[in-house]
Formats: sequence, structure tokens, C-alpha cells
Amino acid sequence: QVQLVESGGGLVKPGGSLRLSCAASGFIFSDYYMIWIRQAPGKGPEWVSYIGYSDTSTYYADSVKGRVTISRDNAKNSLFLQMNSLRVADTAIYFCATLPNGGGGPIESWGQGTLVTVSS
Amino acid sequence: SYVLTQPPSVSVAPGKTARITCGGNNIGGKTVHWYQQKPGQAPVLVISYDTDRPSEIPERFSGSNSGNTAALTISRVEAGDEADYYCQVWDSNINHPIFGGGTKLTVL
Repeated sequence: QVQLVESGGGLVKPGGSLRLSCAASGFIFSDYYMIWIRQAPGKGPEWVSYIGYSDTSTYYADSVKGRVTISRDNAKNSLFLQMNSLRVADTAIYFCATLPNGGGGPIESWGQGTLVTVSS
Repeated sequence: SYVLTQPPSVSVAPGKTARITCGGNNIGGKTVHWYQQKPGQAPVLVISYDTDRPSEIPERFSGSNSGNTAALTISRVEAGDEADYYCQVWDSNINHPIFGGGTKLTVL
């Protein structure tokens, strides 16, 4: 059974940094693309970044490009999102999720999310 | 960039059929995925590749996609189906996922 557990969220001031983590289990992590998706309060989901089987293939939404870095550790079944220069507009629940068929396929399994609040 | 349009809300009586649409320019040429999100929970995939239903999703859920409209149909609606529903496609030009604005399904 696929399990994804996010951590690392919290309250941070504008301009600050956070590193989100996602611990994966129940599937062969290295065989899956992975994606971070966020959802601001009362809004729909918005993709943030996704990564191929290794760190060599990474993709970023324009809204976070240059401020965010996605990475993964296949040996530890873990996904990460380093977020710098945070803005109030980055306030959201951040979900990690699986992309079993890579770009073009469904976002199959989602974690429960971690809340990031950017406020002074 | 590509835009997906969903009605903000759909209401249906228990036992009836709900149809939630997702409009986009020639969306029939794309592959549509649908997600259900209940309050305080993460989204759940209910339909993939236009019509495929994950094994854990009831047969009451079905999908279609043609022309400029994709649709999620829920038959014999139950109170537990009350949720927000989102359609999603991939923008093939810049290779990233796009979500519709979401539809709130209310069971009367």
C-alpha cells in the first residue's frame, strides 16, 4: 500500500526558507516520477515541481522557478523540496504525490500534505 | 496556456445522476484525469485516462471525453459523494499538469 508522509512545513517570515520532505513506502520509489503540488486556502491544486527517476530531470512552475529546488534520495525513499525566498503567496498545503507514468499520466497517490504559512 | 473550465457547483438529489463537466479547446484530443477531494483531505484519483477507474473506486463513477468537453458522471449519488471534483490534463507544449477550477458537488 502506497504511503506518502510529508513533513517540514511551518510558519516562516517572507524571505525565509523551508525544506519539505516526503517519506515514501509501499512501492518501488526509484521507479516513479514524483511531484509536489500545493493548494492555497480555498483554492484548487497547483503544480509546483516534479522530478524524474533521478535528479537529472526536474521541472518547475514559473511561480517558483529560481526559488525552489526538488530532489530525491532513492536509497532513502525520500523526496525533498527546498524552498527559498518565500512569499506570502506561497502559503498553502504542500502535497507530494506519485506519477507512475511520468509526465502525461495521472497523479496517482497523494500524501496528506504539510502546511506552509508565510507571514510576518 | 491551456485553460480548463468547470462549473463552480453542481447539486443533485440522492439516488440521481450527477454530471460534472470540464471544458477546454479540443480537450477530446487530450487525456483527462479526475480527482475527488473531501474537506480536510488530500485529493483522490477517481478516473484516469478519460475513462479508467481505479479498482477501489465504485463503478458508479465514470468518465467521458469528446470534442470540447470532458465529463465525470456519478450514478446513484450518495451523501458520501459530496466533495470538490477537479479535472486535470497535461499541457503537452510545456509538459506540466493543469487543473480545472473545481466543482463543488452538493447532495441535496
